[in-house]
Amino acid sequence: GAVVSQHPSWVICKSGTSVKIECRSLDFQATTMFWYRQFPKQSLMLMATSNEGSKATYEQGVEKDKFLINHASLTLSTLTVTSAHPEDSSFYICSATGLGTAQASNQPQHFGDGTRLSIL
Amino acid sequence: AQKITQTQPGMFVQEKEAVTLDCTYDTSDPSYGLFWYKQPSSGEMIFLIYQGSYDQQNATEGRYSLNFQKARKSANLVISASQLGDSAMYFCAMREVNTGFQKLVFGTGTRLLVSP
Repeated sequence: GAVVSQHPSWVICKSGTSVKIECRSLDFQATTMFWYRQFPKQSLMLMATSNEGSKATYEQGVEKDKFLINHASLTLSTLTVTSAHPEDSSFYICSATGLGTAQASNQPQHFGDGTRLSIL
Repeated sequence: AQKITQTQPGMFVQEKEAVTLDCTYDTSDPSYGLFWYKQPSSGEMIFLIYQGSYDQQNATEGRYSLNFQKARKSANLVISASQLGDSAMYFCAMREVNTGFQKLVFGTGTRLLVSP
């Protein structure tokens, strides 16, 4: 089955640093990747949708200057949390849909294993 | 209005019993897809089952089946012969074809605990 790899799985860093999270599709070309945030015991909240080679589309209330998304190739999207603060601590998870399947409503999104971000 | 509603924050079931997790949805789009995902404590999202709005039959995947009642806008997940490893969070999600980029909207989830 389709595999999405997310790295790192866990990161702890000081307030004020920037953190980059990578999302890779290992065995398929991902035209569209999605970035979600999940607070403890809550549902997944879509942050942004990224399409290869174009600017990401951010959901309402998500600061695009805070959460920089780059989707430079069909297999890689990155989320950079800039100048992270303790309130940015959360579980971030990406998903991807494959080439040619973006219009197929029955294709599931394939998720990475997520990144637990803790800002001290 | 909530697009996806999961009214059961938690469910308990005994091993080997069947359990139904409820999901109702709200959409005016005639074409949509409904998904169920499992999230263990480790965090990954595992795709379980899919039901399309035009599908005539209820979806089944091994021990998972989807009780799709279109008129009621419900898509309940049925897990038969529960196993201890089924203990996890379960999320119902919907994709509306006309939203573009195929965004998924998730419900709040149901935590299932399977006891021996």
